[in-house]
Amino acid sequence: DVKVTQSSRYLVKRTGEKVFLECVQDMDHENMFWYRQDPGLGLRLIYFSYDVKMKEKGDIPEGYSVSREKKERFSLILESASTNQTSMYLCATGGNREVNQPQHFGDGTRLSIL
Amino acid sequence: QQQVKQSPQSLIVQKGGIPIINCAYENTAFDYFPWYQQFPGKGPALLIAIRPDVSEKKEGRFTISFNKSAKQFSLHIMDSQPGDSATYFCAAPGGGATNKLIFGTGTLLAVQP
Repeated sequence: DVKVTQSSRYLVKRTGEKVFLECVQDMDHENMFWYRQDPGLGLRLIYFSYDVKMKEKGDIPEGYSVSREKKERFSLILESASTNQTSMYLCATGGNREVNQPQHFGDGTRLSIL
Repeated sequence: QQQVKQSPQSLIVQKGGIPIINCAYENTAFDYFPWYQQFPGKGPALLIAIRPDVSEKKEGRFTISFNKSAKQFSLHIMDSQPGDSATYFCAAPGGGATNKLIFGTGTLLAVQP
């Protein structure tokens, strides 16, 4: 089974802090994704990466950046956290170069910005 | 941006009932339509997926019906059980060669005993 591990289940930070969310996968997948999940809005793509050091913006990249220095690890960075970034953050892997492959999700990090 | 519109937002059925969740898409080039199931405290997990060359796909008690002309697809859960209570998301390809998905807004299903 694919295992996607997010470093924290719950995180509380203060406005203006730099926040790092970490995600590690064990399946050697090239594609990795960061989503945020909010009630009534579903899953919205923040950033994704299709290879080491490669990244592309998703639908809501503002206020976020990402880092992928190793294939198995994909980090989401909130440069200066704001209260409107309080949300559930989900990391996923999505196979390799083929399209239409299942995405495998971690269990999420519930982030609260005070 | 291409969208996937999902309804209803929430649904309550009695055990044994057949909840139906509907999704509509815009891009006729979409060729893969997965459904994900999410339990509280867990990430979404792939439940079942369909390609537009078939009109229906069944896996156990879960069935996807696909209407290509109407650009709609639906999830039916036969003989629903309390353990099926979860949030369900439909999705469609996000374009490009990167396996991106566009997700619907989710349906919270409660199956009452």
